[in-house]
Amino acid sequence: NAGVTQTPKFRILKIGQSMTLQCTQDMNHNYMYWYRQDPGMGLKLIYYSVGAGITDKGEVPNGYNVSRSTTEDFPLRLELAAPSQTSVYFCASRASAGISTDTQYFGPGTRLTVL
Amino acid sequence: AQTVTQSQPEMSVQEAETVTLSCTYDTSESDYYLFWYKQPPSRQMILVIRQEAYKQQNATENRFSVNFQKAAKSFSLKISDSQLGDAAMYFCAQIISNFGNEKLTFGTGTRLTIIP
Repeated sequence: NAGVTQTPKFRILKIGQSMTLQCTQDMNHNYMYWYRQDPGMGLKLIYYSVGAGITDKGEVPNGYNVSRSTTEDFPLRLELAAPSQTSVYFCASRASAGISTDTQYFGPGTRLTVL
Repeated sequence: AQTVTQSQPEMSVQEAETVTLSCTYDTSESDYYLFWYKQPPSRQMILVIRQEAYKQQNATENRFSVNFQKAAKSFSLKISDSQLGDAAMYFCAQIISNFGNEKLTFGTGTRLTIIP
């Protein structure tokens, strides 16, 4: 299993541009998450999904959108990039059945800079 | 609301020695899980160890162990026989056992340096 994969690894955007951060997991996990990590801070939840077709806001959803058309994919969309969205973005997933359903597994992250 | 506090922004330890990283948390829930994640320079978040709040026995994973004090709401991580590869940011995190609350709350992290 590749686990949780994210693309791209790095990206520089200009203010007002849009982009989609991709996240895919091959563990058949129902739950998926997007976090952002600002310098010197822990992770904050942006959006999450409990299954295909179901999404919900986390702690810091403003300026972002998500969709979940398949179990495997959970893309994060930035519509009008702002400097405040400069951060490292992590995708995570967890199982809803079986052992260790409380544990989230993280992708390698995407470093986004908005200039 | 849950909060997780890591009061040590930075720690250092001699290689092969033992170090303890502190974490305290605050929740009104009785059923929850606690985690320590490691974030090396590669930025990958790697699960180090997890603890179920209803279990009194402290979790252990090889050189990593925790001291879970539920009444004191304390969850420290002990790393024995420190190795150079242990150098990283370490984050303490908590989630309550409640489908509908999907928030994994993180502390601000402790940067661990291993001195050769």
